[in-house]
Amino acid sequence: DTAVSQTPKYLVTQMGNDKSIKCEQNLGHDTMYWYKQDSKKFLKIMFSYNNKELIINETVPNRFSPKSPDKAHLNLHINSLELGDSAVYFCASSQPSGGQVQETQYFGPGTRLLVL
Amino acid sequence: ILNVEQSPQSLHVQEGDSTNFTCSFPSSNFYALHWYRWETAKSPEALFVMTLNGDEKKKGRISATLNTKEGYSYLYIKGSQPEDSATYLCAPTDNYGQNFVFGPGTRLSVLP
Repeated sequence: DTAVSQTPKYLVTQMGNDKSIKCEQNLGHDTMYWYKQDSKKFLKIMFSYNNKELIINETVPNRFSPKSPDKAHLNLHINSLELGDSAVYFCASSQPSGGQVQETQYFGPGTRLLVL
Repeated sequence: ILNVEQSPQSLHVQEGDSTNFTCSFPSSNFYALHWYRWETAKSPEALFVMTLNGDEKKKGRISATLNTKEGYSYLYIKGSQPEDSATYLCAPTDNYGQNFVFGPGTRLSVLP
């Protein structure tokens, strides 16, 4: 069973389009994240979200928005795609530890987005 | 925690060699330090999480130590194998797991 899954695995689209990437976790975790692997292969946090709070990295353009229909899903919606949005996007989840250190994140397989 | 450094940026070793690399982070407001292993075309996988100064964790041939007072952690690989080739990421956290910031990684290549 896949713990954290993302769809699609690959996404090729035209500049200006709107697209969504879906993420689902079956771990029962309360917190989910979106990361972008940038051109230097660094992993940068975009959003973290649980049922109480959305934390947004202030460097993320507002064309990007997370949407969570329920605790197990955190989808990433991107409006007006730009060439620079081409990257690999990773979803992850973790369980808040309530003071104990069990914040290990479990990552999805990544979605490779190419904007033409 | 905003400034996380890892060194070296990349490393090539021969099969059988032992190696180590460093993660440096601000020691103030430290809560925990995570190490992840990230193989090419796969997703990062957790190796260790450490919290206490002097902590040492071991998983097979891989071990890690933590110095929270001076703000660094070492990852050691004993007898490197080609399957150890990956990027090793460290991620310190503060405030009970918030502000989870990944370092730039050390890219290890183990040559047969």
